[in-house]
Amino acid sequence: EAQVVESGGDLVFPGESLRLSCSVSGFPFSSYAVTWVRQAPGKGLEWVSSISASAITYYADSVKGRFTISRVNSMNTVFLQMNSLRLDDTAVYYCAKVSRLGFHYYSFDVWGKGTTVTVS
Amino acid sequence: EIVLTQSPGTLSLSPGERATLSCRASQSVTKTYLAWYQQRPGQAPRLLISDASNRATDVPDRFSGSGSGTDFTLTISRLEPEDFAVYFCQQYGTLPLTFGGGTKVEMK
Repeated sequence: EAQVVESGGDLVFPGESLRLSCSVSGFPFSSYAVTWVRQAPGKGLEWVSSISASAITYYADSVKGRFTISRVNSMNTVFLQMNSLRLDDTAVYYCAKVSRLGFHYYSFDVWGKGTTVTVS
Repeated sequence: EIVLTQSPGTLSLSPGERATLSCRASQSVTKTYLAWYQQRPGQAPRLLISDASNRATDVPDRFSGSGSGTDFTLTISRLEPEDFAVYFCQQYGTLPLTFGGGTKVEMK
């Protein structure tokens, strides 16, 4: 069974940095794109960043230049390095697997439970 | 950026009733690259529909999606108690990927 587990969320001050991890299992990780989606308290879903199987990266304008997504296939893990954190980065951050092989982004069929980032 | 507007914001229905949720895009969605997700309180989103009308694995057939261009619909034919949740649409044809604001289906 495919699984995704996020970790690394914490309470930080504005301007600080944090690195989130997304560990996956149950599917050929190196063949699939992975994405980060966040949800601010009581709000909707917001796409943050995606990384293709070949490590091509994409970012929302709201995080471009501050966040960096990367993957280490040997570890079955995707990272989200978040620098210069702002109050409006406060959210639950979900990691999710793209549902279709070969696509850099698509719908997302396997989600983790999320990790909470609080900037205050 | 493609803005997705979901309506209504809240749908108050009883178990057994039919739910019709709308997702309207500010511009045409490439190749019907539109998905629907269900999110129950305290849980992660769950993929229901991809490509506007293709049900994901293990999704009951009471859920169906339709539409193209700028207008899409999610229909739940007969609401079960576990279907009361928030539903989001998402387009993945154009960057940035965007989600609608959600429709809450609540029990009347």
